[in-house]
Amino acid sequence: EAQVTQNPRYLITVTGKKLTVTCSQNMNHEYMSWYRQDPGLGLRQIYYSMNVEVTDKGDVPEGYKVSRKEKRNFPLILESPSPNQTSLYFCASSLGTAFIEQFFGPGTRLTVL
Amino acid sequence: AQKITQTQPGMFVQEKEAVTLDCTYDTSDQSYGLFWYKQPSSGEMIFLIYQGSYDEQNATEGRYSLNFQKARKSANLVISASQLGDSAMYFCAMREPRGNQFYFGTGTSLTVIP
Repeated sequence: EAQVTQNPRYLITVTGKKLTVTCSQNMNHEYMSWYRQDPGLGLRQIYYSMNVEVTDKGDVPEGYKVSRKEKRNFPLILESPSPNQTSLYFCASSLGTAFIEQFFGPGTRLTVL
Repeated sequence: AQKITQTQPGMFVQEKEAVTLDCTYDTSDQSYGLFWYKQPSSGEMIFLIYQGSYDEQNATEGRYSLNFQKARKSANLVISASQLGDSAMYFCAMREPRGNQFYFGTGTSLTVIP
């Protein structure tokens, strides 16, 4: 089944404790992206990647890191999480062309205390 | 400036009626893509419909149609014959090929009343 998977789905952590949210897709998509969703703000792009070893900042990259060592995986790293990073996070992927929809993972709800 | 603007935080519609969800966008590119996604209360993001900036005809997918008015930079979603299962959050989005970024609006919460 074609899908985007994220782990964990739910995470409660404390300020400053490094964490990684994994994202994997099995559709051989070139484009992968991370978003955060906050009430009243919609989805905002954090980072995106056009292909292996190519990553770019989105609108809200501060406090996050990403890497794209393999085509299928695009982990999101919070080196020192803070409470303002409490949010719902989505990973998404699409073919490289511009006019194709993104396929979203199920979301990761992160709470930073 | 906001790339995508959705001015209706919440909308109500009677079951079996049609409803229009508004979306305006801001871009200086000639080539871009417009998308609508649905997010039910369960949280997943579901792709509904796509419109390319060069498409002359409005996109349609079943009960969904996109009313594309390029000169006005609007891409409204029309849902015909609303069903209770259409109650959800709806997001308008745009992709600019030049920057490879996706931009989403703040969403419209649609409630279908029996």
